[in-house]
Amino acid sequence: NAGVMQNPRHLVRRRGQEARLRCSPVKGHSHVYWYRQLPEEGLKFMVYLQKENIIDESGMPKERFSAEFPKEGPSILRIQQVVRGDSAAYFCASSLSGIVYNEQFFGPGTRLTVL
Amino acid sequence: AQTVTQSQPEMSVQEAETVTLSCTYDTSESDYYLFWYKQPPSRQMILVIRQEAYKQQNATENRFSVNFQKAAKSFSLKISDSQLGDAAMYFCAYKAGTYKYIFGTGTRLKVLA
Repeated sequence: NAGVMQNPRHLVRRRGQEARLRCSPVKGHSHVYWYRQLPEEGLKFMVYLQKENIIDESGMPKERFSAEFPKEGPSILRIQQVVRGDSAAYFCASSLSGIVYNEQFFGPGTRLTVL
Repeated sequence: AQTVTQSQPEMSVQEAETVTLSCTYDTSESDYYLFWYKQPPSRQMILVIRQEAYKQQNATENRFSVNFQKAAKSFSLKISDSQLGDAAMYFCAYKAGTYKYIFGTGTRLKVLA
């Protein structure tokens, strides 16, 4: 039962380093979403990708953050020059299609700690 | 703008008792979906129950049921016969017209033995 997989589960970085978070969607799913959960808050949408395309990145900070979902391999959320405020849990979700009634299946999240 | 409000940061319930978690939302859409997710300490997001706005009948899943009041824009979750394993953060979420989930800030549920 291969659900959404994320790795690493925990990531510690020092300020100024780069963080790379990986997400493998449910087998057969070609739509991936990234959400961020700050402490004591709900998840907030960051970006929506479909194989090789960014569909909506309206929730992603304009600087230092980027996401990709290549034809082969997992989706990557990349944070350059991390700052303490980037400390959060980052969740990936996937769906079979992008239409509204398709359920998104969530991964276990990556907890990023910036020292 | 669509918003989801959970006004109870924390709730407690005695084991085997019933508890209701509140959620209200704001939207101008007529067709949408509402969800309750459970987030245990492992942080995995687990779908508890889902409601389509066009359905008048309240969704139920075993010990979990909702009270969906469309006119009042209210979507509460009732947990019956509470168990220790129900202890977690519970998030109410909304989705309409797009793929984006909008989550509330969560309610931490404690179950007392």
